[in-house]
Amino acid sequence: DQQVKQNSPSLSVQEGRISILNCDYTNSMFDYFLWYKKYPAEGPTFLISISSIKDKNEDGRFTVFLNKSAKHLSLHIVPSQPGDSAVYFCAASGLDSNMLTFGGGTRLMVKP
Amino acid sequence: NAGVMQNPRHLVRRRGQEARLRCSPMKGHSHVYWYRQLPEEGLKFMVYLQKENIIDESGMPKERFSAEFPKEGPSILRIQQVVRGDSAAYFCASSPGFDTQYFGPGTRLTVL
Repeated sequence: DQQVKQNSPSLSVQEGRISILNCDYTNSMFDYFLWYKKYPAEGPTFLISISSIKDKNEDGRFTVFLNKSAKHLSLHIVPSQPGDSAVYFCAASGLDSNMLTFGGGTRLMVKP
Repeated sequence: NAGVMQNPRHLVRRRGQEARLRCSPMKGHSHVYWYRQLPEEGLKFMVYLQKENIIDESGMPKERFSAEFPKEGPSILRIQQVVRGDSAAYFCASSPGFDTQYFGPGTRLTVL
């Protein structure tokens, strides 16, 4: 039972354009959401997070949007850069647990 | 400020041997988490520990796996009598409390 899903295994974007990565969840008890970036042979690197009391959080080129009614979140990267090429994971946790539930990841390729 | 440290980075074991994976959290972090990533999958929660206490081990296999976080020294994830299906990347994360988790570089376990 996958509680967090990233339905696009890969995404290819031209440098300078916007990258939009999507994530859906099923557990209505999730109240904190995070995005991590992962390069091969390295650990996940924290990018940005959002609490369920907000619908948007922005940090530089990265913006996360949360639509609670649709149980959907997205990560926008603008402008995209070749160094952004990596696997992106969304993750969620609930009020009563610090455990993170991860999606399967989306491989982003930014072409120069 | 050193990040989360894990060693060894790569570990090769034959079936039936024991594997010990170590994790030193970031300075000031008293919460440690272990996650496992099987090939082509997302990260799966295994166990959450605070100093000398296991808080949540709901993701740990019932047999052969154990974890500890002693008062002094690193957290240890121990796998007894390894089997080929244990081959995976094992990531440790730490946090100062109910907060963002920061990940180490991982230990890649290969069981021959």
